[in-house]
Amino acid sequence: DAGVIQSPRHEVTEMGQEVTLRCKPISGHNSLFWYRQTMMRGLELLIYFNNNVPIDDSGMPEDRFSAKMPNASFSTLKIQPSEPRDSAVYFCASSRGTSYNEQFFGPGTRLTVL
Amino acid sequence: QQQVKQSPQSLIVQKGGISIINCAYENTAFDYFPWYQQFPGKGPALLIAIRPDVSEKKEGRFTISFNKSAKQFSLHIMDSQPGDSATYFCAASDSGSARQLTFGSGTQLTVLP
Repeated sequence: DAGVIQSPRHEVTEMGQEVTLRCKPISGHNSLFWYRQTMMRGLELLIYFNNNVPIDDSGMPEDRFSAKMPNASFSTLKIQPSEPRDSAVYFCASSRGTSYNEQFFGPGTRLTVL
Repeated sequence: QQQVKQSPQSLIVQKGGISIINCAYENTAFDYFPWYQQFPGKGPALLIAIRPDVSEKKEGRFTISFNKSAKQFSLHIMDSQPGDSATYFCAASDSGSARQLTFGSGTQLTVLP
């Protein structure tokens, strides 16, 4: 299995631009999580989906952030407009979503907003 | 708010020594306690996990000790090696939908050769 795939791996953009991060979960996994990691705040859960349905988006920092999961094999996290404080590493993770199942993390997308 | 408090923030250990990282939680509904290991430039990966029906779990050089009454759990790395140098996160979850994890703040471990 290829594991969780994220793209792009690195993104540099200017303040005000739209940023779209992409994730392909492991086949057969029905839960998908988006995390943000910074030195100051550590690893934060932004939103998670179960069977393509958003379950909890209370971690999404602002309305500038949105996430979709149109099908079981693809999810996006969009930031519009982006701001310098959004600079972080964004991880996508997937799991089978049942009891005690491991979350598998992707390699992350390092976002820099200038 | 559900929190998991982790200490220390950083830890330096000599090769062959024992590394100990501690975590404490408040939510008594938590019933699954994994530890994740993260190397620079990589995503976190599951290292070892424990459920509260046991007080200790060992896998190779890695051991989780769990104290349900104190609501604390710890990771012990025996015979620490330079290759163990990484950031370690404790986490906890309850039986809610998809088993959402609450992570600790992380411990950066450096094992000196």
